[in-house]
This record gives sequence, C-alpha cells and structure tokens, in this order.
Amino acid sequence: KAGVTQTPRYLIKTRGQQVTLSCSPISGHRSVSWYQQTPGQGLQFLFEYFSETQRNKGNFPGRFSGRQFSNSRSEMNVSTLELGDSALYLCASTLTGTGWNTEAFFGQGTRLTVV
Amino acid sequence: KQEVTQIPAALSVPEGENLVLNCSFTDSAIYNLQWFRQDPGKGLTSLLLIQSSQREQTSGRLNASLDKSSGRSTLYIAASQPGDSATYLCAVPPNTGNQFYFGTGTSLTVIP
Repeated sequence: KAGVTQTPRYLIKTRGQQVTLSCSPISGHRSVSWYQQTPGQGLQFLFEYFSETQRNKGNFPGRFSGRQFSNSRSEMNVSTLELGDSALYLCASTLTGTGWNTEAFFGQGTRLTVV
Repeated sequence: KQEVTQIPAALSVPEGENLVLNCSFTDSAIYNLQWFRQDPGKGLTSLLLIQSSQREQTSGRLNASLDKSSGRSTLYIAASQPGDSATYLCAVPPNTGNQFYFGTGTSLTVIP
C-alpha cells in the first residue's frame, strides 16, 4: 500500500513569506500529526488532526496552523516566516491516533529553508 | 509528562558487532513503544512496534524488548552492517492527547 506522501520535498523561502506543506496519509488512516525537527531541538510536536478536527496542539506560535480535509489529507501553513523556521517538517499517519491504534508511519519530510 | 531518554547518544562500532541501544521512559502506562530509523535528512522509518502486552518483537536482525515496569526498552542489532548506520529513535505514544514522545536518538556508525 502507498506510504505517507509529503509535498514538496524541498522549499526555499524568504523571511516574511508564507508557506504551505501537504501530507497525504496512508489510505484508511484518519489521524495526521505534524512535527518540526531541528538539530538543536530534536522532534517537536506541532499539532494533530483527526476527522478534520485539531485534537492537540504543541507549543508553537500562532503563525503555525493546519487543517485536515475530508479525505484525511492535511496541510500546514506557516505565515511570516522567520529564519528559525528552517527545519525538516515531518508528518505522521496513524489509524486513529489513540489507544492501541497508534502505530505511526512517517513521510519523507519537507525540508524548509528560510533565507 | 512522559520523558524519553536514549543512551548512548552516539555509537561507533566495527562491522559485524552485535550492539544494544537503550530507551527509557518515565510513565510506564503505555499502550506500545515504537522504534524508528532515520537516515540524514530523511523521514522516520518504522522498525518495530512492541505492544505493552509483549516483551519482545523481532524483525530480521533486529530484536526489541520492552519492560514496562522498569520503563525500559532495548533494540538489539545483530551482526551490524555499514548500511545500519543511521539515527535510531524510540517513541512512546500518549495515553491521552496525541503527541508521540520521542527520545533524542542514538546516532550509529558502523565502520566497514
């Protein structure tokens, strides 16, 4: 079966711009989580969506937002980009994201560079 | 809040050696624990998932064990190969909320 697909794989943006990243989960999976990975901070949780609803949110500023569509595909948006937003953004797909159904599958990530 | 620690942070071994990576967690009320591999600049590849009711899970040269009561998991890699060089992460899913808690990883280098 197809894995988790993230697009685009690489992005270069200028400070102040905004960016939208996309994640298509494994077919049948309804939970999508987003993580930011930087060398200094490791993997940090951004937010999680299930059935088009944000269920949980990490400690990131309001410039980071997301949404999920009825087909479970998710997008995250970062507005007013800062140099510190340069990172690898990963999305994870799970069946329901709770209890026993939490085996996670990750996409290849989107490498965002802000210049 | 769950805290996950991995030791060692980095490991360098000659090809062919057997090795053990360690993961500890503070809250033993878990459903399962998952081990991942990450190559530089890439996403996470799931290696093994151990349910809380299991003590071991095996896949090829990999064997993961779980001791919930002591808050520990180990990943055993047999007969290491240069292709095993990567960062290995353990992750614990939440009982409530939906945030995985990740360890900081062990960076493994297998020298040919």
